[in-house]
Amino acid sequence: NAGVTQTPKFRVLKTGQSMTLLCAQDMNHEYMYWYRQDPGMGLRLIHYSVGEGTTAKGEVPDGYNVSRLKKQNFLLGLESAAPSQTSVYFCASSTPGTSGRAVEQFFGPGTRLTVL
Amino acid sequence: GENVEQHPSTLSVQEGDSAVIKCTYSDSASNYFPWYKQELGKRPQLIIDIRSNVGEKKDQRIAVTLNKTAKHFSLHITETQPEDSAVYFCAALNTGTASKLTFGTGTRLQVTL
Repeated sequence: NAGVTQTPKFRVLKTGQSMTLLCAQDMNHEYMYWYRQDPGMGLRLIHYSVGEGTTAKGEVPDGYNVSRLKKQNFLLGLESAAPSQTSVYFCASSTPGTSGRAVEQFFGPGTRLTVL
Repeated sequence: GENVEQHPSTLSVQEGDSAVIKCTYSDSASNYFPWYKQELGKRPQLIIDIRSNVGEKKDQRIAVTLNKTAKHFSLHITETQPEDSAVYFCAALNTGTASKLTFGTGTRLQVTL
């Protein structure tokens, strides 16, 4: 049971390049999330998904797109990278927060992205 | 939307002393409050959580208290040890809204010998 995994672990891009970050979870969780973490700003939600085929915007969605074609995978895309997108990106997954059920979010190991 | 404020941003304590981190939230509908610990270069990991129908929860040296009326909650670590040194994040969530967590900005705890 690997939990939540992310690829790649590190990436350096030039301004204007595109890339896709992959998140995979083997816990059969319905919900998946993408966060970015910047110094002094905590974790901010970029996009999230409540199930296969559905996505929604979070707090800071501009410049990013996502897709959830399979329940276990959640992809984050940068179409035209900018230096302001230099950050550490974390994926997370959880079960729905219904009464009596845990809503713990399990995080992946993170992807450190630098945009030059 | 929800707004979570966290204080202090840095905290230095001597080994064996207690540490307290405080958070306030704005949305009265929030009903779940987790605390995450993040060691340098690692992922955030849940250390304790509390639901809005409970005022206090304890797990060994860690405790969390919640005051729903004042909309604030706190993390208490007793008998601190060097391995407690990390960044701690509080968060708030309304389980009726796709379980979206809103995080505080973090507290860097340094436990000195």
